[in-house]
Amino acid sequence: EAGVTQFPSHSVIEKGQTVTLRCDPISGHDNLYWYRRVMGKEIKFLLHFVKESKQDESGMPNNRFLAERTGGTYSTLKVQPAELEDSGVYFCASSQAVEGAHGYTFGSGTRLTVV
Amino acid sequence: GENVEQHPSTLSVQEGDSAVIKCTYSDSASNYFPWYKQELGKGPQLIIDIRSNVGEKKDQRIAVTLNKTAKHFSLHITETQPEDSAVYFCAAKSNTGNQFYFGTGTSLTVIP
Repeated sequence: EAGVTQFPSHSVIEKGQTVTLRCDPISGHDNLYWYRRVMGKEIKFLLHFVKESKQDESGMPNNRFLAERTGGTYSTLKVQPAELEDSGVYFCASSQAVEGAHGYTFGSGTRLTVV
Repeated sequence: GENVEQHPSTLSVQEGDSAVIKCTYSDSASNYFPWYKQELGKGPQLIIDIRSNVGEKKDQRIAVTLNKTAKHFSLHITETQPEDSAVYFCAAKSNTGNQFYFGTGTSLTVIP
């Protein structure tokens, strides 16, 4: 089966610009998660979708971040306007069950650099 | 909320030696502890996990131990090989939560 796909793999944008990250989960996985790793720090939870509904968005840093999951398939994460501290690697993960019989399956991430 | 600490942040070992990475957690409700390996240019990949009703689990050269009382869990890699070089993350989760809490990662280098 295809894994979790993220696009783009890298993005460099200027402060104040908008960037949209995309995640295609494994087909049939209802649960989709966004995480972020700022350089040298832990991987931190951003939000969790169950199908098209936001189950938990307690990790979203502020209202400059908007996540959507249209039709319960792929998800997008938009940052508008981007700030320097938004730089990091954004990971998407999916699972069938909330706990996941074998944890999550992660995508390879999008490395975002805001200059 | 949960706080997971991971040590060391970097670790270099000679090929064939063992490597140990340690994590602590703060929330006694956490009951699932996976370990992820992230190779360059890839996303974290689950390599082993342990649940709170088990004290130790082994899979070939890797093993994980859990001390619920002390809230410690550790990853042990024996007979290390160059392909074990990667960043390793520990994580913790409870039944009631949606999210995993990750450690800050350990960059392991196995020197041939």
